[in-house]
Amino acid sequence: ELKVEQNPLFLSMQEGKNYTIYCNYSTTSDRLYWYRQDPGKSLESLFVLLSNGAVKQEGRLMASLDTKARLSTLHITAAVHDLSATYFCAVDMQKTSGSRLTFGEGTQLTVNP
Amino acid sequence: DTEVTQTPKHLVMGMTNKKSLKCEQHMGHRAMYWYKQKAKKPPELMFVYSYEKLSINESVPSRFSPECPNSSLLNLHLHALQPEDSALYLCASSPGDNEQFFGPGTRLTVL
Repeated sequence: ELKVEQNPLFLSMQEGKNYTIYCNYSTTSDRLYWYRQDPGKSLESLFVLLSNGAVKQEGRLMASLDTKARLSTLHITAAVHDLSATYFCAVDMQKTSGSRLTFGEGTQLTVNP
Repeated sequence: DTEVTQTPKHLVMGMTNKKSLKCEQHMGHRAMYWYKQKAKKPPELMFVYSYEKLSINESVPSRFSPECPNSSLLNLHLHALQPEDSALYLCASSPGDNEQFFGPGTRLTVL
């Protein structure tokens, strides 16, 4: 059974600081996604990582994937309050009949002024 | 049209009621999904439809009954639900076995 572990689960940080969220998974996969969820809202796709060594950047967020280590990271640079949200990684155990996402528990990020 | 829509946004129902959730996408995606999300938890996969056929059922109780009338539409029929079924129900679609796009969700309360 695939297990996906995120840490930390809660992160409180000051504006302007840097931090990294980690996502470990237990079974071989080369497809991993990062989503953002604001309270009471749906999931917004942030990054799609489809191969070993993939690195994607958007604004103050950068995601990477190491399939050999079964590890993905989401790095936050110079955090701002607008980044406060819950971040989920999701590993795809793809099937020919559609993808099958298993989510981590989520990291609740609070950026304080 | 590049989004997944869901109706209703909110639904309150009694344990003896029958209701349905609706999901629609016009992106030509061939796979559609239902997820259940409890507060402060990650989404949990319930059903996957591929080419309008049910391909994955994650051992969901029979009081939840999915239906895919055509390639753009996905329904979730609800009957005799329990209070613990109260949650956010998310629909998603994908072009194939890749990135999923989520709808806004239906917040369900079972009294």
